[in-house]
Amino acid sequence: EDQVTQSPEALRLQEGESSSLNCSYTVSGLRGLFWYRQDPGKGPEFLFTLYSAGEEKEKERLKATLTKKESFLHITAPKPEDSATYLCAVLRGSGGYNKLIFGAGTRLAVHP
Amino acid sequence: GAVVSQHPSRVICKSGTSVKIECRSLDFQATTMFWYRQFPKQSLMLMATSNEGSKATYEQGVEKDKFLINHASLTLSTLTVTSAHPEDSSFYICSARDAGGWTEAFFGQGTRLTVV
Repeated sequence: EDQVTQSPEALRLQEGESSSLNCSYTVSGLRGLFWYRQDPGKGPEFLFTLYSAGEEKEKERLKATLTKKESFLHITAPKPEDSATYLCAVLRGSGGYNKLIFGAGTRLAVHP
Repeated sequence: GAVVSQHPSRVICKSGTSVKIECRSLDFQATTMFWYRQFPKQSLMLMATSNEGSKATYEQGVEKDKFLINHASLTLSTLTVTSAHPEDSSFYICSARDAGGWTEAFFGQGTRLTVV
């Protein structure tokens, strides 16, 4: 069964304290892995797409990496405005029918 | 990035009534739109996939007669929750993908539905 697991469920950091969020997955027919940021009461905001093991992408204080079984979202020197829920999703393809399978997210709180 | 507009952002309705939620792609043509439901502190659960001009594909366990989806144009999909009940209260989110492929999916702002 396809599954996406994110850890930790919640993370509290001090401003400037770097850390990593994990997304492990088991899925057949992986076509890509997506990271989103979601603020309370809002829809997800796209961050990155990774397609193959070894791939890395960066955006400001965020860097996403991908292996064959998991992805990490590294946050360097976070600021309070980075507080949000970070969602990981895998794109599963089967017979021309593609869909995103989401993890439950990691709720990040960055305190000044 | 591309913009997906979802309306309304919040709606309160009485039990037994129907509610329509709109999802529009503002600056691209969305050949495929997706509807999700999200409960507090839980992940997004795909309800259905709609392709322009054809019937929606519903996920297992989603009642197609209860959640009516129409994707009549390349920029608009609607979700109608029929005969709503309190257990239908949730956060509904749409997303859209353009004809270019799966480089990313763009999400609407979400609709908070409360059935009283």
